[in-house]
Amino acid sequence: DTGVSQNPRHKITKRGQNVTFRCDPISEHNRLYWYRQTLGQGPEFLTYFQNEAQLEKSRLLSDRFSAERPKGSFSTLEIQRTEQGDSAMYLCASSSGQGYNSPLHFGNGTRLTVT
Amino acid sequence: KNEVEQSPQNLTAQEGEFITINCSYSVGISALHWLQQHPGGGIVSLFMLSSGKKKHGRLIATINIQEKHSSLHITASHPRDSAVYICAAIRGGSNYKLTFGKGTLLTVNP
Repeated sequence: DTGVSQNPRHKITKRGQNVTFRCDPISEHNRLYWYRQTLGQGPEFLTYFQNEAQLEKSRLLSDRFSAERPKGSFSTLEIQRTEQGDSAMYLCASSSGQGYNSPLHFGNGTRLTVT
Repeated sequence: KNEVEQSPQNLTAQEGEFITINCSYSVGISALHWLQQHPGGGIVSLFMLSSGKKKHGRLIATINIQEKHSSLHITASHPRDSAVYICAAIRGGSNYKLTFGKGTLLTVNP
């Protein structure tokens, strides 16, 4: 068990550029979540995958955001035409999906700064 | 009003003190997490509970479903306990996604 891995740890980009983040969940975890956290706030739900299926997507996720989990293992979160308001910590979490009692494991996050 | 409210927002304590952080929620939940977040972002799940009380070392978490309230207690606090503590609720029928409180920043001074 190597934990949930997120890459990169930090990303600085200019407004208007596209960025892509990657999350590698714990192997055999079929549930994967993306959250966004801005300074001084708790994380907010963005999207949820069960295996490769994206089952839920927050209204926070504008059309510029897209997430995939093509083979039900790693996931990517892409932001197109970044805006300064996209600056935040993007967190990924996974669980085994054995009901709501299955522990949730978080990655260390990707901190995005849009200049 | 947020669905999950925490208090206090900031807490400063002296080493050895007993710490209590409170969490109230306004929606029906399946379970509730207490999470610890250190500077740099990494989040660790401390407890997940749906009723009663859980204890792990110096940490104790309780939940009262009828009152929609949970507490996290730290006994004999230590400077290494300094972190942000976040309460997060799993809403019933919500694909197990979490609704987070804003967190409590705990600073324990030696």
